[in-house]
Amino acid sequence: GEDVEQSLFLSVREGDSSVINCTYTDSSSTYLYWYKQEPGAGLQLLTYIFSNMDMKQDQRLTVLLNKKDKHLSLRIADTQTGDSAIYFCAEINQAGTALIFGKGTTLSVSS
Amino acid sequence: EAQVTQNPRYLITVTGKKLTVTCSQNMNHEYMSWYRQDPGLGLRQIYYSMNVEVTDKGDVPEGYKVSRKEKRNFPLILESPSPNQTSLYFCASSTGLAGTTQYFGPGTRLTVL
Repeated sequence: GEDVEQSLFLSVREGDSSVINCTYTDSSSTYLYWYKQEPGAGLQLLTYIFSNMDMKQDQRLTVLLNKKDKHLSLRIADTQTGDSAIYFCAEINQAGTALIFGKGTTLSVSS
Repeated sequence: EAQVTQNPRYLITVTGKKLTVTCSQNMNHEYMSWYRQDPGLGLRQIYYSMNVEVTDKGDVPEGYKVSRKEKRNFPLILESPSPNQTSLYFCASSTGLAGTTQYFGPGTRLTVL
């Protein structure tokens, strides 16, 4: 079945770049997503990438997609303490009825 | 303001006492869905609805019911809650799934004693 894997923790210093990695199993996925969850809050869509793209940039965020290796990454430039949160990678399931989420990567930013 | 609201935000209850968590969206979205979030397991879909009167099971539907009588509302019903349903629940809505923004509610933290 579909599966999405992420590393669980990442710790960086303020001002550094953060790179959160994700692998997925369903090669037919058309869209891949990154969500952010701040403590006590719901999920906020950060960005998504269509499978025919290799890269998408949106301000401090850069998404890289390696479709051959089924690898997705989210790079946050100039990481700030306000970026501390849990980041979820997700893909649409084959039926197109649900998002399949990874377990989330907790990003901790120290000043 | 476009939003998904859930009520209650926090609930402590006892085993077997029926409860309903409400979800409402003001964006005229066709698609609505319920997820539960558990430590170490991420988010898993419980039920979804593609439109009014159209609902279907997700990955973990056991012990839950839903209804979609109106486009804006998608309540989650636990007829006889059990401790293994203690979790953080999220409702979400969107116009579809592929390439669209799925809006999440703020979450409902449920504890079943």
